[in-house]
Amino acid sequence: KNQVEQSPQSLIILEGKNCTLQCNYTVSPFSNLRWYKQDTGRGPVSLTIMTFSENTKSNGRYTATLDADTKQSSLHITASQLSDSASYICVVSARNNNDMRFGAGTRLTVKP
Amino acid sequence: NAGVTQTPKFRILKIGQSMTLQCTQDMNHNYMYWYRQDPGMGLKLIYYSVGAGITDKGEVPNGYNVSRSTTEDFPLRLELAAPSQTSVYFCASSAGTGSNQPQHFGDGTRLSIL
Repeated sequence: KNQVEQSPQSLIILEGKNCTLQCNYTVSPFSNLRWYKQDTGRGPVSLTIMTFSENTKSNGRYTATLDADTKQSSLHITASQLSDSASYICVVSARNNNDMRFGAGTRLTVKP
Repeated sequence: NAGVTQTPKFRILKIGQSMTLQCTQDMNHNYMYWYRQDPGMGLKLIYYSVGAGITDKGEVPNGYNVSRSTTEDFPLRLELAAPSQTSVYFCASSAGTGSNQPQHFGDGTRLSIL
């Protein structure tokens, strides 16, 4: 069964610190992997999209990595800001259909 | 630029009542989706549409219906509301399903069935 597992469930860090969120998946055959940011009370907003051939992709202070062999991805946030407090969702798509599997998300809290 | 607009933002229904959640997008996207988000769970796909007049079931379609008469609008209908349908509902749209085509989400409808 196609699954997406994220860890940790929640994370608290101090402003200015870095952090890394993890995403493991079993979706097959793999098409692409997306990271979304979801602020409280809002819809998810796309951060990065990576295909099989891409190992890393950045969007400002956000850097996503992908290891398609081990079926793992990470989202690294550099120099965190209070506005980074949100849920971060990993989404994996299977090839040749519209099956997109969403992880349950990591809830990040950045404290001053 | 409005993007994806959902109405209402909040609603409380009694068991057995019916209602329609509205979703409209102004990006001329062919693909539209309805998801539900329950606490501690990933979003689940209810229905999706690849263009006007075409709809298909997602992972959790039971208890819901959709229609797509125009490119812009994709309403979700609950015919006989049940407590299990208490959730946050998100509508999304995209130009396609390719790797350079992200989904754009509305801000959700928070629905409680009592």
